[in-house]
Amino acid sequence: AQKVTQAQTEISVVEKEDVTLDCVYETRDTTYYLFWYKQPPSGELVFLIRRNSFDEQNEISGRYSWNFQKSTSSFNFTITASQVVDSAVYFCALSEAWSSARQLTFGSGTQLTVLP
Amino acid sequence: DVKVTQSSRYLVKRTGEKVFLECVQDMDHENMFWYRQDPGLGLRLIYFSYDVKMKEKGDIPEGYSVSREKKERFSLILESASTNQTSMYLCASSPAGDSEKLFFGSGTQLSVL
Repeated sequence: AQKVTQAQTEISVVEKEDVTLDCVYETRDTTYYLFWYKQPPSGELVFLIRRNSFDEQNEISGRYSWNFQKSTSSFNFTITASQVVDSAVYFCALSEAWSSARQLTFGSGTQLTVLP
Repeated sequence: DVKVTQSSRYLVKRTGEKVFLECVQDMDHENMFWYRQDPGLGLRLIYFSYDVKMKEKGDIPEGYSVSREKKERFSLILESASTNQTSMYLCASSPAGDSEKLFFGSGTQLSVL
């Protein structure tokens, strides 16, 4: 069975600080996909990124970067120079390739608060 | 602007009532999903649908049913609401060729008293 663990329930930082959100996953499949979603106070989850298990290259998109390490089963998310608008709940998720529905298993989420 | 619209943002019901949560998407997506979100538990899949009149159970279907009579609409039904069904309910949709890239509604906070 697949599992996603986000050990950090809440993180609080001051604006312009860098912050890393941790995600550790478990799966028996060799082919799988990892995701990050953002849930701002408005409630709508927003897709941020998807990586497949064969692509371990780190990715950078503006102030966001993702570090995928199969050796430690981790897919961590870093926000550089955080801003108040980054305040949200962030979810890491996993889907296994065998799943016909491509169902996502979500972690419990990390509440990030960026203080001005 | 593409949207997934949930009919109510907040809903208060009594134990034993039949509850309908409605979700409509305007993106012509084949897949639609119902999740519930609880503190410390993340999102858990209740039901999903690949196509009209098609449904499959997710991880926690007990106490729920769904209906998809039209492609754009996916309804979640609580036949007899119970207090342990108090939760945030999130609807999502995705296209057939990219099923994990979900588009979410704003959620319905259901309180069962």
